[in-house]
Amino acid sequence: AQTVTQSQPEMSVQEAETVTLSCTYDTSESDYYLFWYKQPPSRQMILVIRQEAYKQQNATENRFSVNFQKAAKSFSLKISDSQLGDAAMYFCAYRSGLASGSRLTFGEGTQLTVNP
Amino acid sequence: AAGVIQSPRHLIKEKRETATLKCYPIPRHDTVYWYQQGPGQDPQFLISFYEKMQSDKGSIPDRFSAQQFSDYHSELNMSSLELGDSALYFCASSRTSGKETQYFGPGTRLLVL
Repeated sequence: AQTVTQSQPEMSVQEAETVTLSCTYDTSESDYYLFWYKQPPSRQMILVIRQEAYKQQNATENRFSVNFQKAAKSFSLKISDSQLGDAAMYFCAYRSGLASGSRLTFGEGTQLTVNP
Repeated sequence: AAGVIQSPRHLIKEKRETATLKCYPIPRHDTVYWYQQGPGQDPQFLISFYEKMQSDKGSIPDRFSAQQFSDYHSELNMSSLELGDSALYFCASSRTSGKETQYFGPGTRLLVL
């Protein structure tokens, strides 16, 4: 079974600074997808960014980018120019690419605080 | 853009009662997923349906059942509710041709007293 580990239960960053959230995963599959979801106090689950395992290029969405190291099974999220609205719980997630309807497996989450 | 719709948004039940949660996926999405999130925990996968057939099954109690209907909406039926069933229940949907990125609904907060 696949596992996802987020070793930082809490992180903090100053507004306008850059922060990196860590995620590692364990799998024997070669076809899979990795995601970062954000959960603000409203508890809505919001997709931040997605990475396909077969793509070597790191995904980028505006101020959010990932560092995908496939051999090391590492998938970190970098938030640049942090804003107060970035404060949330961030979950790293894995999905197998082998079958339709496959589940997301989440890490334990990292609570990000943004200080003004 | 249209999002996943879940109803009800809040639900309070007594122990041993039953509850039905509904999920309406994003238009043209053919797959729905159910997750349970307890306080301070990450979401745990329950079950998913692709084209009205069960496609993956997680740690869903036998007291729970779910199905997907011809219009692709899904219902999660929960019977003999226990205090431990109190949680936030998410539905997510995806489209097979869209690399199956899962988009989440706002969730249903279930409180069992």
